[in-house]
Amino acid sequence: QSVLTQPPSVSAAPGQKVTISCSGSSSNIGNNYVSWYQHLPGTAPKLLIYDNNKRPSGIPDRFSGSKSGTSATLGITGLQTGDEADYYCGTWDSSLSAGKFGGGTKLTVL
Amino acid sequence: EVQLVESGGGLVKPGGSLRLSCAASAFTFTNYIMNWVRQAPGKGLEWVSSISSRSSYIYYADSVKGRFTISRDNAKNSLYLQMNSLRADDTAVYYCARSRSTGRDDAFDIWGQGTMVTVSS
Repeated sequence: QSVLTQPPSVSAAPGQKVTISCSGSSSNIGNNYVSWYQHLPGTAPKLLIYDNNKRPSGIPDRFSGSKSGTSATLGITGLQTGDEADYYCGTWDSSLSAGKFGGGTKLTVL
Repeated sequence: EVQLVESGGGLVKPGGSLRLSCAASAFTFTNYIMNWVRQAPGKGLEWVSSISSRSSYIYYADSVKGRFTISRDNAKNSLYLQMNSLRADDTAVYYCARSRSTGRDDAFDIWGQGTMVTVSS
């Protein structure tokens, strides 16, 4: 059971929008930056969002991040079939002195 | 091109040891916190360990504490993970990852392709 809670799966049609939530606590999300990663099987995870809502160069603005209190959200607009992947939130847990990832959310683009 | 390349994975018996290496290139390795992250078959990402730029601060997941040792050689631009007393649940792809900056909560912006570790008799 992960310290950071994500829905196991989400789905939406091509062109639509989807959001993925990540719920934590004051010791992790509440007082640390959140990052989001896209992971396709057999490949290296890819950073999508850092510092809660910033995009690395090369990441399209279809991807967005937000944080409120002890929860964070990844938004993806204009869904494409190529967006089908597993998505993970990540942060530091100050009480545990450990890095943490959410359990992951599988995105299906119908 | 900024790159991380892991090596050293393989098949090992329960109770055995293995040392993973991660070779960094095209960036100033000394300036960055480095990390190990793993993914067991059919499971999600799990943070394993982090080491600060000068090895002053080291952190481990509870699941590996006392069995794994992270280290780095800045002169060789290399990161290591010594894994002892290996168990079946250590079976995973192990990724080397760079932290964006100097904060413990900084995102992992560069990842290697991973090296597979299988613990089985």
